[in-house]
Amino acid sequence: EDKVVQSPLSLVVHEGDTVTLNCSYEVTNFRSLLWYKQEKKAPTFLFMLTSSGIEKKSGRLSSILDKKELFSILNITATQTGDSAVYLCARGGSQGNLIFGKGTKLSVKP
Amino acid sequence: EAGVAQSPRYKIIEKRQSVAFWCNPISGHATLYWYQQILGQGPKLLIQFQNNGVVDDSQLPKDRFSAERLKGVDSTLKIQPAKLEDSAVYLCASSPPGLEPYEQYFGPGTRLTVT
Repeated sequence: EDKVVQSPLSLVVHEGDTVTLNCSYEVTNFRSLLWYKQEKKAPTFLFMLTSSGIEKKSGRLSSILDKKELFSILNITATQTGDSAVYLCARGGSQGNLIFGKGTKLSVKP
Repeated sequence: EAGVAQSPRYKIIEKRQSVAFWCNPISGHATLYWYQQILGQGPKLLIQFQNNGVVDDSQLPKDRFSAERLKGVDSTLKIQPAKLEDSAVYLCASSPPGLEPYEQYFGPGTRLTVT
């Protein structure tokens, strides 16, 4: 099964810090890579990166995709306690499904 | 716009009992997914429907799990009999029709505890 590997698995920072979350995937027939934020139960959509859109930005969050090296990063600048969550990376499967990594648990301390 | 609805939110059962979960996707979303998320793991796809047809159920343990979407709208997922390792959050998601269905919208999930 094609894998999606995220690192680190957990991270503790202080408010105002900048963090970088990593996601690598093992597939040659690439379709898309997505980032989700999961605070309590339901993952909420952040970004989708495709061949035609390898860099996305929304406020303090940004993400880039390196199709050659098969990885993506999610950057969060000036972190806030509300950024505390599990961040999930997923790649798009051939049937429209998502294949998720284990997630990175981010804790932002005041 | 109403989101994906799921019920119940929590369920505790004993092993060997049966349980059913319900999901109502966002109106107009043709594709519906059921995911299982074990603590500390990412969601894993169990089954994917396109309208009322199954697209992918390759990771559904068919000896104990079943799912249906009879009218192409809401869906039920059943486990019978449950095992301890079925303890997890069961997430339902839907996506609108289109060429890029990956932007999926998730429901709040059902946390199942099997004792």
